[in-house]
Amino acid sequence: DAKTTQPPSMDCAEGRAANLPCNHSTISGNEYVYWYRQIHSQGPQYIIHGLKNNETNEMASLIITEDRKSSTLILPHATLRDTAVYYCIVRDSGGGADGLTFGKGTHLIIQP
Amino acid sequence: EAGVTQFPSHSVIEKGQTVTLRCDPISGHDNLYWYRRVMGKEIKFLLHFVKESKQDESGMPNNRFLAERTGGTYSTLKVQPAELEDSGVYFCASSQVVPSGGLKETQYFGPGTRLLVL
Repeated sequence: DAKTTQPPSMDCAEGRAANLPCNHSTISGNEYVYWYRQIHSQGPQYIIHGLKNNETNEMASLIITEDRKSSTLILPHATLRDTAVYYCIVRDSGGGADGLTFGKGTHLIIQP
Repeated sequence: EAGVTQFPSHSVIEKGQTVTLRCDPISGHDNLYWYRRVMGKEIKFLLHFVKESKQDESGMPNNRFLAERTGGTYSTLKVQPAELEDSGVYFCASSQVVPSGGLKETQYFGPGTRLLVL
């Protein structure tokens, strides 16, 4: 089962910042927070990940609270193409590889 | 660099028939995964290959599903015989092998194969 809780849906106006919350209150010290998204009719796409420091890349920013029990994915200037289902996934840092556990995600709708 | 490709993009078959899905991972990616999403449900992990070896097949629903990755390159997922509940979207993902004890790998997904069993 997914270890995260996300709102089922959110709206955001085009050009504004989209802030997607995620609760992971049972996260352990060696677990990372990953974000993926799935645009309609495409496969899931990696966005960003973090452990405890805030992270930023060309797609988004990730803000993780000090107690690490929640995080927020920020799309700074949302466009219509950012309409997708966004998944927050917790993974341990044991290295190697394993299957991802997807929850229900947040359906983000960017309004023109 | 080409991404993960999957074939076919769509497949419509009748109950009891056999279907084979194919996945070509990103070149050089030894990890290959299969996932699926059935109608109204979440995306679920099916199995994981490292090169040609099955590392984890705990998500395979039953013995009607057979995955292979001969030679450690492309992979096939065969469903035989197909049932109505097998309808859904089947995703393949691949990633590079990373050393243990560090960060997990990043998985790159293909566009999926949409399977409809009538």
